[in-house]
Amino acid sequence: GAVVSQHPSWVICKSGTSVKIECRSLDFQATTMFWYRQFPKQSLMLMATSNEGSKATYEQGVEKDKFLINHASLTLSTLTVTSAHPEDSSFYICSANRQGLYNEQFFGPGTRLTVL
Amino acid sequence: KQEVTQIPAALSVPEGENLVLNCSFTDSAIYNLQWFRQDPGKGLTSLLLIQSSQREQTSGRLNASLDKSSGRSTLYIAASQPGDSATYLCPLGGTSYGKLTFGQGTILTVHP
Repeated sequence: GAVVSQHPSWVICKSGTSVKIECRSLDFQATTMFWYRQFPKQSLMLMATSNEGSKATYEQGVEKDKFLINHASLTLSTLTVTSAHPEDSSFYICSANRQGLYNEQFFGPGTRLTVL
Repeated sequence: KQEVTQIPAALSVPEGENLVLNCSFTDSAIYNLQWFRQDPGKGLTSLLLIQSSQREQTSGRLNASLDKSSGRSTLYIAASQPGDSATYLCPLGGTSYGKLTFGQGTILTVHP
């Protein structure tokens, strides 16, 4: 199957700092990527849809000024958590939509963010 | 609004058993359905993808079926193994660009 990578795999930061997470589709181009967060023992919650060359679409309740998304190329989307606080600590997962005969989504391995 | 329900929420079986995981959805206007597994602290691994026009897909010991009219999909796992232990998810795609609707998943434990 296709490969999606995320970097870093884990990060610890101090409260008030910003953290950038990268999501890359390694062997296909993705005009659309998605960002999710997942709390322990819960399912994935969609945060936003990242569209190459245009603004991201945020789900209701997600602060777009807090979670900045940039999709500058067909293989890279970034999520920046600005002024992070302990409640932002979570598991962040991205996915990329591989369009074609069978549109299929591939997920990254996730990034564990801990804010002290 | 599409809603996805997975039953059971948790399942514990001895190795070797055949088992069925259920996924139901409220809106039959789906584009596709993917079954994934998620290991603790990891991302999602795609298992099977069923297009809305298809009724089933098979891969190895896994077989997934789709019945849009009744709003159901099932994942059949034959001869379960401890390595099958994971959380299984069946998100639905409502459109071609891939936005998925998730349920809570089924936590499967296969013990030796």
